[in-house]
Amino acid sequence: KQEVTQIPAALSVPEGENLVLNCSFTDSAIYNLQWFRQDPGKGLTSLLLIQSSQREQTSGRLNASLDKSSGRSTLYIAASQPGDSATYLCAVRRDGGATNKLIFGTGTLLAVQP
Amino acid sequence: DAGITQSPRHKVTETGTPVTLRCHQTENHRYMYWYRQDPGHGLRLIHYSYGVKDTDKGEVSDGYSVSRSKTEDFLLTLESATSSQTSVYFCAISDRVVYEQYFGPGTRLTVT
Repeated sequence: KQEVTQIPAALSVPEGENLVLNCSFTDSAIYNLQWFRQDPGKGLTSLLLIQSSQREQTSGRLNASLDKSSGRSTLYIAASQPGDSATYLCAVRRDGGATNKLIFGTGTLLAVQP
Repeated sequence: DAGITQSPRHKVTETGTPVTLRCHQTENHRYMYWYRQDPGHGLRLIHYSYGVKDTDKGEVSDGYSVSRSKTEDFLLTLESATSSQTSVYFCAISDRVVYEQYFGPGTRLTVT
């Protein structure tokens, strides 16, 4: 059974700092991995999706990497801003098609202090 | 943002009453999902649909049913609401090319 773990559970950093969020999964046979952010009382916003054949994806100040063999993904946020404060979730998909289900981690709560 | 709306956004209901939540998409995506999110449990899949009239159970489907009569609408019904079904419910959609999931704004349901 696939299990997804995110460490740390909470993180507080000063504005401007670069930071890394970690995601680990137990079964390396994944189709893709998706990173989301969730603001309090809101839905999930998709940030980045990495296919199993890819090593990394970038969007603006965000860079996500994937190492399937070790069961790890990282989300790198450059030059953090108070607006980055949110809960960050990673999720893995085992395969495509009708059984296209996401398994979510428990999230990292990020606070960026002005 | 993906065109996903959920209604109602907030609902308070009494134990034993039926409740229906609606998810509407304008993206013409094939796959639709219902999740619930609870403290300490994260996001859990209730039911999903892989086409009109094609649905299947997720990991926490007991007490819930779904229907999809049109591509754009996916309904979640709590047949007889219980206090344990107090939660925030999210609808999500994905295409069948890259399978990226997009989430709706959520419905906060309180069963008293």
